[in-house]
Amino acid sequence: DGGITQSPKYLFRKEGQNVTLSCEQNLNHDAMYWYRQDPGQGLRLIYYSQIVNDFQKGDIAEGYSVSREKKESFPLTVTSAQKNPTAFYLCASSIGTRTSGELFFGEGSRLTVL
Amino acid sequence: QKEVEQNSGPLSVPEGAIASLNCTYSDRGSQSFFWYRQYSGKSPELIMFIYSNGDKEDGRFTAQLNKASQYVSLLIRDSQPSDSATYLCAVTKEGANNLFFGTGTRLTVIP
Repeated sequence: DGGITQSPKYLFRKEGQNVTLSCEQNLNHDAMYWYRQDPGQGLRLIYYSQIVNDFQKGDIAEGYSVSREKKESFPLTVTSAQKNPTAFYLCASSIGTRTSGELFFGEGSRLTVL
Repeated sequence: QKEVEQNSGPLSVPEGAIASLNCTYSDRGSQSFFWYRQYSGKSPELIMFIYSNGDKEDGRFTAQLNKASQYVSLLIRDSQPSDSATYLCAVTKEGANNLFFGTGTRLTVIP
């Protein structure tokens, strides 16, 4: 089955630690995205990538980093510089290099900082 | 001013009634409009999109767009308890490579 796989589903981190969230897709989609969702805030774009080896900052990129070495993979690192990292993180992909608006989402990763 | 605004709710309707969800957007250059449904603890899924003024129907769902008023709505007819979820409105703009999401409206359908 084609889809987007995010791991881990739940993650606990101590303050000062970096963590990496995995996102893998087998839909052969060109574009991939990372969103953060907080209660009452909706989805906010962290980073997106339209092609391999290229990515762009979204609205809230500070404290995060990404890589796109393969078309299928778009991992997100939450660094210790991110001041309030506890949130629900969603990875998504879309056909083509410009979004048509139809995003396919993974099941999400819930990060809690202890 | 936020790009996309929605009433956070909660909106409660009895089973079988029509649920009406509303969304306004700030940029007249917005081009395409989307409704995503998100069940609690799950990821969003696309249920409707609309590009032109007027109504678009798909089963029990109708999306309505009024570009002059910068307003888009989603009507759910014959609401079912399984429709209970948060509904996210999203828009694309010319020159932008991502979607702009509203904060979502939580809908509860009461059996």
